[in-house]
Amino acid sequence: NAGVTQTPKFQVLKTGQSMTLQCAQDMNHEYMSWYRQDPGMGLRLIHYSVGAGITDQGEVPNGYNVSRSTTEDFPLRLLSAAPSQTSVYFCASRAPGMARYEQYFGPGTRLTVT
Amino acid sequence: DAKTTQPPSMDCAEGRAANLPCNHSTISGNEYVYWYRQIHSQGPQYIIHGLKNNETNEMASLIITEDRKSSTLILPHATLRDTAVYYCIDRVNDAGANNLFFGTGTRLTVIP
Repeated sequence: NAGVTQTPKFQVLKTGQSMTLQCAQDMNHEYMSWYRQDPGMGLRLIHYSVGAGITDQGEVPNGYNVSRSTTEDFPLRLLSAAPSQTSVYFCASRAPGMARYEQYFGPGTRLTVT
Repeated sequence: DAKTTQPPSMDCAEGRAANLPCNHSTISGNEYVYWYRQIHSQGPQYIIHGLKNNETNEMASLIITEDRKSSTLILPHATLRDTAVYYCIDRVNDAGANNLFFGTGTRLTVIP
């Protein structure tokens, strides 16, 4: 298994541009989440999904959209990038049948908005 | 916001035990304590969890005080590859997905 994969690894955007961060997992996990991590801070939850067709907001959802059309994929969309969205983004997944603590994280996408 | 308190940084000599403390004085009776770590430029990695009994796995041991207000993660023989930020988490989002809420963690540096 490849686990949780994220693309791209690095991205530079100009203010106002849009883009989609991709996240995929091949472990048939129903639960997937997006976090952002800023310097000196822990991870903060952006959006999450408990299954295909179901999404919900986390702690810091403003400026981001998500959708979940398949179990495998959970893309994160920035509609109009802002410098405040400069961060490292992590996607995570877990299976509902396994213990609720063990989430698997992707390697991250480092985004810079100028 | 995370309700745990951890020292911002610690050093440990290679081969020695690393003991990482965590205070979670407001933890409720049915909340677990979880530990994750994040090696530089990687995503977080699950280490161990516990409710009230001490736990051990292939990576670490977790010692939880009887009153459950604090715990200690023990890496018995620290190696250079254990240099990372260690997160103690006592709260998950029970709105269905049990998501994790991270604080700022302890940066452990293992010294040769």
